[in-house]
Amino acid sequence: QVQLHESGPGLVKPSETLSLTCTVSGGSMNPNYWAWIRQYPGKGLEWIGFFFYVGRSTYNPSLKSRVAILADMSKNQFSLTLNSVTAADTAVYYCARGRDGWYFDIWGRGALVTVSS
Amino acid sequence: QSVLTQPPSASGAPGQRVTISCSGSGSNLGSNTINWYQQFPGTAPKLLIFSNNERPSGVPDRFSGSKSGTSASLAISGLQSEDEASYYCASWDDSLNGPVFGGGTKLTVL
Repeated sequence: QVQLHESGPGLVKPSETLSLTCTVSGGSMNPNYWAWIRQYPGKGLEWIGFFFYVGRSTYNPSLKSRVAILADMSKNQFSLTLNSVTAADTAVYYCARGRDGWYFDIWGRGALVTVSS
Repeated sequence: QSVLTQPPSASGAPGQRVTISCSGSGSNLGSNTINWYQQFPGTAPKLLIFSNNERPSGVPDRFSGSKSGTSASLAISGLQSEDEASYYCASWDDSLNGPVFGGGTKLTVL
């Protein structure tokens, strides 16, 4: 049974960098694709980006200048970095496994990240 | 502002049938399939329906989905108290080149 677990700081100062790691257990990262998705306190969901097992990443155009998603397949982990954060980046960040048809069948429990000084 | 539009709330009595709508545009629902997620407070979304009307293993057949043009709906029959949750629709968007979500519908079982 594949499980995902997000980890990283829960508090980030404005203008600094948000960094989260998603650890995949119970299965391989190949040949799937993996996503970061965030949920604002008001409950809306927003796709951040994908990491594809072939080594390519794609991003939401609204975040593209600030975001990077990388993976360490040897550790079964993929990461999210978001630069120059503001209070508007405060959200619960989820990692998820993507399937053909662009849906997400397995989600992590989520990591609340608050941007505040 | 979410790309897909859902009513913020819905309700029904136990045993009733409830539908939740989701509307989009030609770049998302008009040309791609729809997926639905169920979320309980404090937990992650859970895949409920994929590819318009397919249910993952373990999801009761009381849940069904449909899509027509740029609109879609989730139907829950034989409503149970355990169905009280928020429901989100999602689809691929060709303009964004990524997935988009609805704002969510909070279902109350009366």
